[in-house]
Amino acid sequence: DGGITQSPKYLFRKEGQNVTLSCEQNLNHDAMYWYRQDPGQGLRLIYYSQIVNDFQKGDIAEGYSVSREKKESFPLTVTSAQKNPTAFYLCASSTRTGEKGEQYFGPGTRLTVT
Amino acid sequence: AQSVTQLDSQVPVFEEAPVELRCNYSSSVSVYLFWYVQYPNQGLQLLLKYLSGSTLVKGINGFEAEFNKSQTSFHLRKPSVHISDTAEYFCAVSESDTGRRALTFGSGTRLQVQP
Repeated sequence: DGGITQSPKYLFRKEGQNVTLSCEQNLNHDAMYWYRQDPGQGLRLIYYSQIVNDFQKGDIAEGYSVSREKKESFPLTVTSAQKNPTAFYLCASSTRTGEKGEQYFGPGTRLTVT
Repeated sequence: AQSVTQLDSQVPVFEEAPVELRCNYSSSVSVYLFWYVQYPNQGLQLLLKYLSGSTLVKGINGFEAEFNKSQTSFHLRKPSVHISDTAEYFCAVSESDTGRRALTFGSGTRLQVQP
């Protein structure tokens, strides 16, 4: 089955530690995205990548970093510089030129930092 | 820049009643419009999309939405809801004239269907 996997589903970390969230897709999509979801705020774009070895900052990139070394993988690192890292993180992918913005979402990772 | 406003944070409704979830957007360029549904602790699933053509679009699970350019709205409707429709619904836009495919989301509307 084609789709997007995110692991783990739940992640717990101590304050001050960096943590990397995994996102893998086998849809052969060029573009991948990371969103953060907080209650009552909808989804906000952290980073996106339209092609391998290239990525762009979204609306709330501070305290996060990404890499795109392979087409199917787009890991997100939440660094200790992120002031409020506890949130639900969603990864998505899309074709670069087709479907005009339609994105496919993974099941999400809930990160709790204490 | 673009923005999306979902006017109701919560909508309670009885089973088999009709429902409308409201969405308004603001953009300096042409947009594509989407409605997504999210069940608890899950990712988002596409309900329907407006790209061009007929302003009334039909989606999955009996939902439909109407694009109104003059009112910059894209309201979601269902004539008769089921308990299983209880979820959070997000309206989103992407720019049609540029290469940026990232979505801008509204804050969501929680639909609560009561028996």
